[in-house]
Amino acid sequence: DAEITQSPRHKITETGRQVTLACHQTWNHNNMFWYRQDLGHGLRLIHYSYGVQDTNKGEVSDGYSVSRSNTEDLPLTLESAASSQTSVYFCASRGDRAPDTQYFGPGTRLTVL
Amino acid sequence: TQLLEQSPQFLSIQEGENLTVYCNSSSVFSSLQWYRQEPGEGPVLLVTVVTGGEVKKLKRLTFQFGDARKDSSLHITAAQPGDTGLYLCAGDRTGGTSYGKLTFGQGTILTVHP
Repeated sequence: DAEITQSPRHKITETGRQVTLACHQTWNHNNMFWYRQDLGHGLRLIHYSYGVQDTNKGEVSDGYSVSRSNTEDLPLTLESAASSQTSVYFCASRGDRAPDTQYFGPGTRLTVL
Repeated sequence: TQLLEQSPQFLSIQEGENLTVYCNSSSVFSSLQWYRQEPGEGPVLLVTVVTGGEVKKLKRLTFQFGDARKDSSLHITAAQPGDTGLYLCAGDRTGGTSYGKLTFGQGTILTVHP
């Protein structure tokens, strides 16, 4: 069965370190998204990609970057981790039809000390 | 700016009671999706409503899309402890450069006590 996975599931890091969160999907979807979830804010879009070599900024993109070198993967990098980036991060993918189901990964809980 | 206002944020009820969760916006959406999320997992899609005035039923859950496609509601009849979880609404402005970019409400944490 197709799926979307994230790794690691839990990560503790220190302020100023670079961190990369992995996202891998086997749906063969062109569209991939990264969200962060914080209490009281729902999910907020960080970055998204509509295909290989395509990346776009979402509403809370400062301090984050992504790259898309193949269809299956969209890694999220925190260039210099800050305590404000402590959150739960979700990756999602979606097909090209409208409307279409957006499938979410299980999430990565990141703590920045 | 929160474009989708979801209320209430917390709901604690007894088994058998009915409840309604609201999702309101000043923006028009091409579709509105409702998700349910369990602890430690990602959101899972429950339903998508597309047409203004549309009503969809999923067992004891009834979803409605406002006539103007700016608001939606989720009604649960005779709630059960298994309904406990986080419910999220998300608006989709599909089209052009906005494809797939969901705008989420703050979420409603529902607890149903036996």
